Amino acid sequence: QSVLTQPPSASGTPGQGVTISCSGSSSNIGNNYVYWYQQVPGTAPKLLFYRNNQRPSGVPDRFSGSKSGTSASLAISGLRSEDEADYYCAAWDDSLSGVVFGGGTKLTVL
Amino acid sequence: EVQLVESGGGLVQPGGSLRLSCAASGFTFSSYRINWVRQAPGKGLEWVANIKQDGSEKDYEDSVKGRFTISRDNAKNSLYLQMNSLRVEDTAVYYCARGYDSSGYLPGYWGQGTLVTVSS
Repeated sequence: QSVLTQPPSASGTPGQGVTISCSGSSSNIGNNYVYWYQQVPGTAPKLLFYRNNQRPSGVPDRFSGSKSGTSASLAISGLRSEDEADYYCAAWDDSLSGVVFGGGTKLTVL
Repeated sequence: EVQLVESGGGLVQPGGSLRLSCAASGFTFSSYRINWVRQAPGKGLEWVANIKQDGSEKDYEDSVKGRFTISRDNAKNSLYLQMNSLRVEDTAVYYCARGYDSSGYLPGYWGQGTLVTVSS
């Protein structure tokens, strides 16, 4: 049972857009930055967003991150086959004094 | 280029010990918090521990408190995870992950991971 809640799966066809949600509480998302990671199976995670919506260099602007209250979202527009991966949200949790992750969302590009 | 290379994984019996290492290069190691994050086979990411730049603060996930110890040697650009009293449920790929910037807690750059298997 993950502290942050994500849908287990999402899907879309090439060219479409998709949004992945991440729900938390006041001790994590509500009071701290949200990070997003992309993980292609068999490889290490890659940072997609830090501090809610800051994109590291090299991340396409088809990806966008947002946060409102105790929830956050990752939006991907113009889906491509290479976007097929697992996506995780994460935040610092003040009550646990640790990093908490969402359970991950498996994105399938049909 | 930021590089993090984990080593020390392997097969160990329940109750045994293992010490993981992470060799860092391409950045000023002493300026960043470093995390250990693990991923059990077929499961999601789970944060294990992190350590402040000078080693003065350490935080642990509840299930590893008292069994795992995170440490660092800034002179050697190295991070360690001493794992004692290992359990079957500790089986996972263990990643070393640096904070994105010098003020960041959460992972920004990741190593490729080292597999720890706890089994009799």
